[in-house]
Amino acid sequence: AQTVTQSQPEMSVQEAETVTLSCTYDTSESNYYLFWYKQPPSRQMILVIRQEAYKQQNATENRFSVNFQKAAKSFSLKISDSQLGDTAMYFCAFMTGTSGSRLTFGEGTQLTVNP
Amino acid sequence: EAGVTQFPSHSVIEKGQTVTLRCDPISGHDNLYWYRRVMGKEIKFLLHFVKESKQDESGMPNNRFLAERTGGTYSTLKVQPAELEDSGVYFCASSSFLVQQGTYGYTFGSGTRLTVV
Repeated sequence: AQTVTQSQPEMSVQEAETVTLSCTYDTSESNYYLFWYKQPPSRQMILVIRQEAYKQQNATENRFSVNFQKAAKSFSLKISDSQLGDTAMYFCAFMTGTSGSRLTFGEGTQLTVNP
Repeated sequence: EAGVTQFPSHSVIEKGQTVTLRCDPISGHDNLYWYRRVMGKEIKFLLHFVKESKQDESGMPNNRFLAERTGGTYSTLKVQPAELEDSGVYFCASSSFLVQQGTYGYTFGSGTRLTVV
């Protein structure tokens, strides 16, 4: 079975500090894609960052970066210089080559950025 | 361009009643997906439309759920009769091409929060 585990249901961080959200996954496939989505309160879910499993280099998007450890099946998200607007539910997800376009999600981490 | 629109944003119904959720994808997007998140659990796939055809409906929980996409534009998800365990947030998403390679992911709507009492 393909699963995603986010072990931190809730996290908080002070504004301007750095926080890391953890995600582990399980798949027997070698070709897959990993994603972090965020859903701010009462707003649509948006893509934060993505990573192709065949790429060694960790993806970076401005203040957001990932630590992709393929052997450990770990895909953590680091948010630098946290801002109040980063307060949201964050979901880790992946898509495999054989799952068509279906995403498998984790249970989410509620991140609160405090002023 | 307008995003993916879902309505209602919230719905509270009694057990045994019928509810219809609607999703308007981004214009021109052939692929439309339904997902749901129940009681703080993970978001789970329900089904995938390509235009008006059901490409994959393996995630539909039971025959009380009926999804349609007439004309390949907007989609509806009907729950009849609703049960308590159907409570959750129902997400719709669309994409303009088959995201088999995970290139850009989808565009999601804001979701419909369904509460069955």
